[in-house]
Amino acid sequence: GQNIDQPTEMTATEGAIVQINCTYQTSGFNGLFWYQQHAGEAPTFLSYNVLDGLEEKGRFSSFLSRSKGYSYLLLKELQMKDSASYLCAVFNNAGNMLTFGGGTRLMVKP
Amino acid sequence: EPEVTQTPSHQVTQMGQEVILRCVPISNHLYFYWYRQILGQKVEFLVSFYNNEISEKSEIFDDQFSVERPDGSNFTLKIRSTKLEDSAMYFCASSDAAGAETQYFGPGTRLLVL
Repeated sequence: GQNIDQPTEMTATEGAIVQINCTYQTSGFNGLFWYQQHAGEAPTFLSYNVLDGLEEKGRFSSFLSRSKGYSYLLLKELQMKDSASYLCAVFNNAGNMLTFGGGTRLMVKP
Repeated sequence: EPEVTQTPSHQVTQMGQEVILRCVPISNHLYFYWYRQILGQKVEFLVSFYNNEISEKSEIFDDQFSVERPDGSNFTLKIRSTKLEDSAMYFCASSDAAGAETQYFGPGTRLLVL
């Protein structure tokens, strides 16, 4: 089975850095994705990790440790528009599908 | 930038009625997916589709659900006899290859079953 855990909610201040953690236990693993989802909208792709280590993309970075079943998304220089849900999703190649965690709702305050 | 499109954006139907949700995947993509998200809950996989057949489906995707690629551009999800618990946002997604290729999501259809 698949179990993906991430905090339900986080709050941070504009201009700060926030780290959103995700742990997973899956029967198959072939990559981990982070998506951003604003309320009532579709998930939009942020980052992808398949090998251990850090992937950096502008203000967003994502880290993966396969041996620990752990990933985090790091958001720097937070802006008000970063207030959204951040979804951790594991790709299972056997099923050619994404399994999502419950999402972390991030609120950025002035 | 190419994107996945979905119609309608909202659909209200009576319990027991059939609904068809439509999607136009990104044009050079070969793999298509349907996900749903009940209000306040997580995104759940329904089905993946490749080469005109289902490649994987979840427990949610029972006999009441079907998918079709009726022509070269559309990808549809049909719910034969809707139930109250089918009320959700339905997202179509596509990717250009199998494996861990990025899946791009459409804007969704909000289905409300009364």
